Amino acid sequence: QQPVQSPQAVILREGEDAVINCSSSKALYSVHWYRQKHGEAPVFLMILLKGGEQKGHDKISASFNEKKQQSSLYLTASQLSYSGTYFCGTEMRGSNYKLTFGKGTLLTVNP
Amino acid sequence: NAGVTQTPKFQVLKTGQSMTLQCAQDMNHEYMSWYRQDPGMGLRLIHYSVGAGITDQGEVPNGYNVSRSTTEDFPLRLLSAAPSQTSVYFCASSSGRGLQETQYFGPGTRLLVL
Repeated sequence: QQPVQSPQAVILREGEDAVINCSSSKALYSVHWYRQKHGEAPVFLMILLKGGEQKGHDKISASFNEKKQQSSLYLTASQLSYSGTYFCGTEMRGSNYKLTFGKGTLLTVNP
Repeated sequence: NAGVTQTPKFQVLKTGQSMTLQCAQDMNHEYMSWYRQDPGMGLRLIHYSVGAGITDQGEVPNGYNVSRSTTEDFPLRLLSAAPSQTSVYFCASSSGRGLQETQYFGPGTRLLVL
C-alpha cells in the first residue's frame, strides 16, 4: 500500500527543472507533499484533494490524476533551498485518516 | 504559538525499559498522529487520534500505546523497548478531523535502544 516514488534521487544545477512522481496501486482520496531537510522535521508543501487538481506554491506545483492514482511534483527554476528529501503521502479511500508515505526522493541542487 | 512540541529530543534506553514520548500542540488541532522514520523507509504511521478520547492504530502499532485525554496532548508510550524501536519519532497535528488540512510536524525525538 506504500506509494512508489520516482526517481529515488536527482541532482540538479541551480535553475534546472525536476519532476517527482508518486503512484499508488489503490484508489486515492488525497495526496500530500512534504519536504524534509537533513536532521529536520518534514515541512508541508501542498495537498491535492480532487482528481485532476493542480496546485502551485511559488515555483513548486503539483498535479493529481485520480484515475491513474498518480501525482507529480514539479520544481521549476530550482534554487539551492529546494535541496532535501521530498515525500508524497497518500490517503486512500476509506482509510480513515491514515496517511501512507513513500520512501522519498532525494533532491540535490548544486550551484 | 509554539506549534507542535516534543520531549525529549534524544533518549537512550536499555532493552526492556519503558518510557513515554511527549507531544503537545497549542493550535487547538483535533487530529494528531505519531510517525516513526527509519533510514530508507519514509514515515510510518504508528497511532493517530481524531479528537480527545478517540485513538486508532496506524501501520506499525505493535509495542506502542497512546491515549488522548486532552486536545493538546498526545503521548506515545513504549511498553518494553526493543532495539527494533530505535528510530526518529515525529508527532504531527492538523486542524479538523481529517487530513484535508496542513499537518504540522514536531521537531522529533531520536531514540536509541541498546
